[in-house]
Amino acid sequence: DSGVTQTPKHLITATGQRVTLRCSPRSGDLSVYWYQQSLDQGLQFLIQYYNGEERAKGNILERFSAQQFPDLHSELNLSSLELGDSALYFCASSSMGSGQVYEQFFGPGTRLTVL
Amino acid sequence: TQLLEQSPQFLSIQEGENLTVYCNSSSVFSSLQWYRQEPGEGPVLLVTVVTGGEVKKLKRLTFQFGDARKDSSLHITAAQPGDTGLYLCAGVDNYGQNFVFGPGTRLSVLP
Repeated sequence: DSGVTQTPKHLITATGQRVTLRCSPRSGDLSVYWYQQSLDQGLQFLIQYYNGEERAKGNILERFSAQQFPDLHSELNLSSLELGDSALYFCASSSMGSGQVYEQFFGPGTRLTVL
Repeated sequence: TQLLEQSPQFLSIQEGENLTVYCNSSSVFSSLQWYRQEPGEGPVLLVTVVTGGEVKKLKRLTFQFGDARKDSSLHITAAQPGDTGLYLCAGVDNYGQNFVFGPGTRLSVLP
């Protein structure tokens, strides 16, 4: 158990709909990262938040948005869903270690199916 | 833009064989992590290497960080079916700001 929680575990919805995925980082971690993983593909970095502020952006579509709340949990909002958005969505968290050693710990993921 | 390449992309071997997978970049990283991911689950951190030339062992797995901190290798001795999965390397830039993931090596160990 990494200590990172994600809900829901599975989500089935229709095209054009909007969904919200939730992530709670490990206790004490200030950074949250969101990734998308399509079938048999690698991890595609979407966005990073650090202590409530956006830190880095990857290949995130304009239809997608995220935020990190004061209690450090994060939500990823996906709107106007398309069939191609079906994927596993992972959240990871990290904290500053000794020196500049940063490690990410991943949640179990949310499997999104768009029909 | 920092990129990580991994090779081979796919590897299928018999139980008991040894194997090495590679993670390469033209960029220098302050640290590098290896993860294993099983189907439908999140990646699990195996190891972090920090110092150029560093070697770390985790049971039958041996991880090495290149002297120049641009590449890494993972060697598995006497592979077992339980080693099957997607092996991902990830580098952290020298500013400690950005994580970069490689595309992964998909390993299948046949009994």
